Amino acid sequence: EIVLTQSPGTLSLSPGERATLSCRASQSVSSFYLAWYQQKPGQAPRLLIYGASSRATGIPDRFSGSGSGTDFTLTISRLEPEDFAVYYCQQYGSSPPITFGQGTRLEIK
Amino acid sequence: QITLKESGPTLVKPTQTLTLTCTFSGFSLSTSGVGVGWIRQPPGKALEWLALIYWDDDKRYSPSLKSRLTITKDTSKNQVVLTMTNMDPVDTATYYCAHFEFSTSCSFDYWGQGTLVTVSS
Repeated sequence: EIVLTQSPGTLSLSPGERATLSCRASQSVSSFYLAWYQQKPGQAPRLLIYGASSRATGIPDRFSGSGSGTDFTLTISRLEPEDFAVYYCQQYGSSPPITFGQGTRLEIK
Repeated sequence: QITLKESGPTLVKPTQTLTLTCTFSGFSLSTSGVGVGWIRQPPGKALEWLALIYWDDDKRYSPSLKSRLTITKDTSKNQVVLTMTNMDPVDTATYYCAHFEFSTSCSFDYWGQGTLVTVSS
């Protein structure tokens, strides 16, 4: 089973700053199969990035994804107030096909 | 426009079986490359994937819960049903169903609003 470890657990930043979130896999993951989600309190998760670097429909270009193999990164170039939320990475593999990371909480400093 | 909505009991007793229904619109589960999955989230905790059913009726389960889960689909009704046996208070969570796009993104691109299930006697 592929385990996804996200870091940091909590990230405290101010609006306008750059956020860098990490997702590390216990085994190599195809870039095609790595996604990122945003979840705000009381809401369902929202797909941000798929295929490690492709933005989902309607996602602002301040969100970008990168990485390969076992190390993936979600970057938010200039934080807006609405970006403070919890972020999850997810991989699709063979067995089991789907795992999520434990999440990174992005909070206002 | 793709929408999904979960329905089922909000309260179940320990040892009972939970049955949740996901009713969706805007896509067909007989279309190649499409799936529907279930994901849960205990209060204040992370997302946990439970099960996935593909367009061809292939099914996958979380290894840790496999013995307790069954996922089925009714294509004519646009519904996916998840059953979980032997419920325990640790199964208290918000349960989500979501559209899975296998052919392009291998991710959950549309989600239901979720339904909170509490397990208590």
